[in-house]
Amino acid sequence: QVQLIQSGPEVKKPGASVKISCKTSGYTFSNYGFTWVRQAPGQGLEWMGWISAYIGYTSYSQKFQGRVTITADTSTSTAYMDLRGLTSDDTALYYCARVSGTYLGPSEYWGQGTLVTVSS
Amino acid sequence: DIQMTQSPSTLSASVGDRVTITCRASQSVSNWLAWYQQKPGNAPKLLIYKASNLESGVPSRFSGSGSGTEFTLTISSLQPDDFATYYCQQYSSYSTFGQGTKVAI
Repeated sequence: QVQLIQSGPEVKKPGASVKISCKTSGYTFSNYGFTWVRQAPGQGLEWMGWISAYIGYTSYSQKFQGRVTITADTSTSTAYMDLRGLTSDDTALYYCARVSGTYLGPSEYWGQGTLVTVSS
Repeated sequence: DIQMTQSPSTLSASVGDRVTITCRASQSVSNWLAWYQQKPGNAPKLLIYKASNLESGVPSRFSGSGSGTEFTLTISSLQPDDFATYYCQQYSSYSTFGQGTKVAI
């Protein structure tokens, strides 16, 4: 079955960077893409960006442009999200989710989420 | 960026009620719209895609309609398992979520 397993919780200081992994199994990694979505405590869902492992394309929300990098390693079937310049506003649960390989679409499979806490 | 606005933000209902949630886009998204259900401590669950297509395994009491800028999610007869927060998501231009609608008892 399709599984997306994310890396564990992170505690970072303001100004630091965080890199979260999303290891997949149960399907052909390179045929699909990944989107990253975050959820601050008690808040709604916020789209950050996506990558197509199929066509090697990335795009990012304007809010995060220049501060986020999403990559995909086909050799390990793992997607990554790197967020730099952390502030307390980046404290959130970060999700990876699978999407189509050819366009940014809805996500039927999600990781369990990775909690990132930014605190001095 | 396309803005998505859901209404209401909170909805009080009872088991057996017919429930309708509205999602409005700041510009046309054609039918590139999805609906998700999220329960506390869980990742979102896809219910509807392309505005009106029911995801496999989702009960038929859930339905979606609309196109362009106005969309609705309807639960025909609310069940105890349906008390949750619902989000719309456009994927016409990048992606944006609505702010969520909490369906409470």
